[in-house]
Amino acid sequence: QKEVEQNSGPLSVPEGAIASLNCTYSDRGSQSFFWYRQYSGKSPELIMFIYSNGDKEDGRFTAQLNKASQYVSLLIRDSQPSDSATYLCAVNILGAAGNKLTFGGGTRVLVKP
Amino acid sequence: DAGVIQSPRHEVTEMGQEVTLRCKPISGHNSLFWYRQTMMRGLELLIYFNNNVPIDDSGMPEDRFSAKMPNASFSTLKIQPSEPRDSAVYFCASSPGRDRRGNTDTQYFGPGTRLTVL
Repeated sequence: QKEVEQNSGPLSVPEGAIASLNCTYSDRGSQSFFWYRQYSGKSPELIMFIYSNGDKEDGRFTAQLNKASQYVSLLIRDSQPSDSATYLCAVNILGAAGNKLTFGGGTRVLVKP
Repeated sequence: DAGVIQSPRHEVTEMGQEVTLRCKPISGHNSLFWYRQTMMRGLELLIYFNNNVPIDDSGMPEDRFSAKMPNASFSTLKIQPSEPRDSAVYFCASSPGRDRRGNTDTQYFGPGTRLTVL
């Protein structure tokens, strides 16, 4: 079992709809969770981080964390064609020295006009 | 503020040659990470440093790979000798470390070096 798992997609979403991305992780002691967006040929860029159970909203993005169920999700409201990218979930793995993150394989999102 | 700087942006070399990738982290960041990204394996952590000291190099594929961080503003990743299977995009990222509450802090990625080994 991979430490951080994501559905590879592609997740096809009509423009204006909500895109829902999920990520599960194996280490119950993980404390820090990040969502990165990566456009083709570019480097990952941070969208959001979340540390506590519940929802965290930032503009059109909402991150949801459920530590009991070991999943973190990202909602993109009012999806735009410019949101078409690969979304990477990253989790710190307890027991790793320092501040190491483990990344999931990413979910490719396609927003169709 | 300048972000993470990597050079070169593209490198094409022949099998057996030495390759050196360079990274300048964001000023003031305490942690530096080297990643490799391929279609097959995704984003893999190779090695990371805290305060210029290597902390975890378990992701380094084999002895052909080595990394150094001689000071807080510079790091290198060297592959010697290079092989075609080393072809990938290599990212450097830096992070402040941990925030005031002890949470793992955000990593900021450089633009990457696209390496092609023929």
